[in-house]
Amino acid sequence: ETGVTQTPRHLVMGMTNKKSLKCEQHLGHNAMYWYKQSAKKPLELMFVYSLEERVENNSVPSRFSPECPNSSHLFLHLHTLQPEDSALYLCASSPSLRGGSTDTQYFGPGTRLTVL
Amino acid sequence: AQSVAQPEDQVNVAEGNPLTVKCTYSVSGNPYLFWYVQYPNRGLQFLLKYITGDNLVKGSYGFEAEFNKSQTSFHLKKPSALVSDSALYFCAVSGLNSGYSTLTFGKGTMLLVSP
Repeated sequence: ETGVTQTPRHLVMGMTNKKSLKCEQHLGHNAMYWYKQSAKKPLELMFVYSLEERVENNSVPSRFSPECPNSSHLFLHLHTLQPEDSALYLCASSPSLRGGSTDTQYFGPGTRLTVL
Repeated sequence: AQSVAQPEDQVNVAEGNPLTVKCTYSVSGNPYLFWYVQYPNRGLQFLLKYITGDNLVKGSYGFEAEFNKSQTSFHLKKPSALVSDSALYFCAVSGLNSGYSTLTFGKGTMLLVSP
């Protein structure tokens, strides 16, 4: 798991707070992903990023805002969240965005978010 | 659209016995299949993948998976289970979505290995 790190590991925030989740990958990959994992639901892909582009997911509310300043770092900015946004947020990376379906995604340990 | 089904929410097995965690898939085109494991309060760890070639794929921690094209299945197996194998297991299929690859995950199967 040291290939992809995430901070903080745990976060508790109120609905009016603004916070950010950070992800860093040390694998030399060019694509990074944010997933949401809620209890008893399949993993939901939220955002996909590469050096060249960001892939929008129109089903994700605008209170989630991703930022990818370089190929190693990915942020998820949070503002005015709702209690139902409480979940485990996972970051992943893979060698390339359009390199083909055979690439393996490697995951970080996740940030456990609780919205009060 | 691609999909994955893991028909069992939970699998119970005694330590030392063989284990199987089931997965079936649906995808247009070539199937690229993955297994991940998630321990409590941790992220997903890659176990193995099938791309092409031999239908029996060997992975980490003694796990292997058998690809069966006619049954569209990719079951995870281990000859002798350990208590430390107790975790949540996810099957996933990779496919192209608007030109970029995405993973579609099953809902997961909890494996409980008893001493």
